Amino acid sequence: QKEVEQNSGPLSVPEGAIASLNCTYSDRGSQSFFWYRQYSGKSPELIMFIYSNGDKEDGRFTAQLNKASQYVSLLIRDSQPSDSATYLCAVIPIQGAQKLVFGQGTRLTINP
Amino acid sequence: NAGVTQTPKFQVLKTGQSMTLQCAQDMNHNSMYWYRQDPGMGLRLIYYSASEGTTDKGEVPNGYNVSRLNKREFSLRLESAAPSQTSVYFCASSEQPGLAKNIQYFGAGTRLSVL
Repeated sequence: QKEVEQNSGPLSVPEGAIASLNCTYSDRGSQSFFWYRQYSGKSPELIMFIYSNGDKEDGRFTAQLNKASQYVSLLIRDSQPSDSATYLCAVIPIQGAQKLVFGQGTRLTINP
Repeated sequence: NAGVTQTPKFQVLKTGQSMTLQCAQDMNHNSMYWYRQDPGMGLRLIYYSASEGTTDKGEVPNGYNVSRLNKREFSLRLESAAPSQTSVYFCASSEQPGLAKNIQYFGAGTRLSVL
């Protein structure tokens, strides 16, 4: 089982709808969770991080963490074509707190 | 501030050639990382340096060496390039390892082809 798993997609969402991206992780002791966005041919950039159970909102983005079920999700409200990118989930596993472990990424396409 | 700067941006090598990828950060970060990204594989950690003077292997270290030259610079060397090392390489840095301050900032990447 991979440490961090994401559905590679592609995920296609109409403009203005809510895009929902999911990530599961295997290390139950994981403490910190990150969402990065990566446009084609560009480097990853941080969108959000979350440490505590529950929701964290930042503009149109909401990160949700459920440690009991070992998943973290990213919701994008009012999706825009500019949100079309690959979204990478990353986790700091408690045993390797010096490094991030990335999922393979979900490719999201917002259709006008 | 430039953030994390990688050179070169593109490189083509022949099998068996060697090269060094350079990375420098100007954010006074303690930790630096080298990743490779292949289609459908996400980012895989090659080596990292939690602080100046230390380096550790990541998930895929074989065929690579690193040098933490000083706090700012962290280089990745391919001693004898192989076609399997064709990839996009990203350097990243963070304030320090650990739970709260391991937000990593990435360079623009080096696209390497080994023929």
